[in-house]
Amino acid sequence: QVHLVQSGAEVKMPGASVKVSCKASGYSFNTAGIIWVRQAPGQGLEWMGWINPNNGNTYYIENVQGRVTMTTDTSTSTVYMEVRSLRSDDTAMYYCARAPVAKMGPPGAFDIWGQGTMVTVSS
Amino acid sequence: DIVLTQSPATLSLSPGERATLSCRASQGVSRYLAWYQQKPGQAPRLLIYDASNRATGIPGRFSGSGSGTDFTLTISSLEPEDFAVYYCQQRGNWPLTFGGGTRVEIK
Repeated sequence: QVHLVQSGAEVKMPGASVKVSCKASGYSFNTAGIIWVRQAPGQGLEWMGWINPNNGNTYYIENVQGRVTMTTDTSTSTVYMEVRSLRSDDTAMYYCARAPVAKMGPPGAFDIWGQGTMVTVSS
Repeated sequence: DIVLTQSPATLSLSPGERATLSCRASQGVSRYLAWYQQKPGQAPRLLIYDASNRATGIPGRFSGSGSGTDFTLTISSLEPEDFAVYYCQQRGNWPLTFGGGTRVEIK
């Protein structure tokens, strides 16, 4: 069965960094990309970016560019997302999801989701 | 960025009724639009991809239509478990974007 399992909840001070993991199982890791989505409390979904585990190519939205880095460890089928210089408005549930690689352009729809990781930024 | 506008924001219906949700894109996305369902405390679940294709395991009462800038998600007869928030999402162009969501609530 296909699963994405994320790391546990985090509480961080403003200005700190957080690294969230997303471990894939049940499929061939390099056949699909991984995207990250966040959801602030009571709000909608914000797509943050994606990584192609095949070649390490990434795309980040402008809003987080320079503060977010997505990486992969193909030996453990795990994707990581690090967010630096945390602010209070980074407080959110962070989800990873599988996104099939398209022949051209952006990836396909997000068919498998992790359970979410709550990141709280508070002094 | 492509802006997706969902309407209505809230839909109040009774079980057994038909639900029609709209998603309008600020520029054409061909048929590269997906729909997701999210229940409280849960991750989103893919319902429809590429405008009209049901994802694996999704019941036949869910259907999607549209192309270009106007898309519709229809739930033919609401079941109790269908009351949730629904989001559309485009992959026609970078960056990928979500709509603001439509809440389907019990009347």
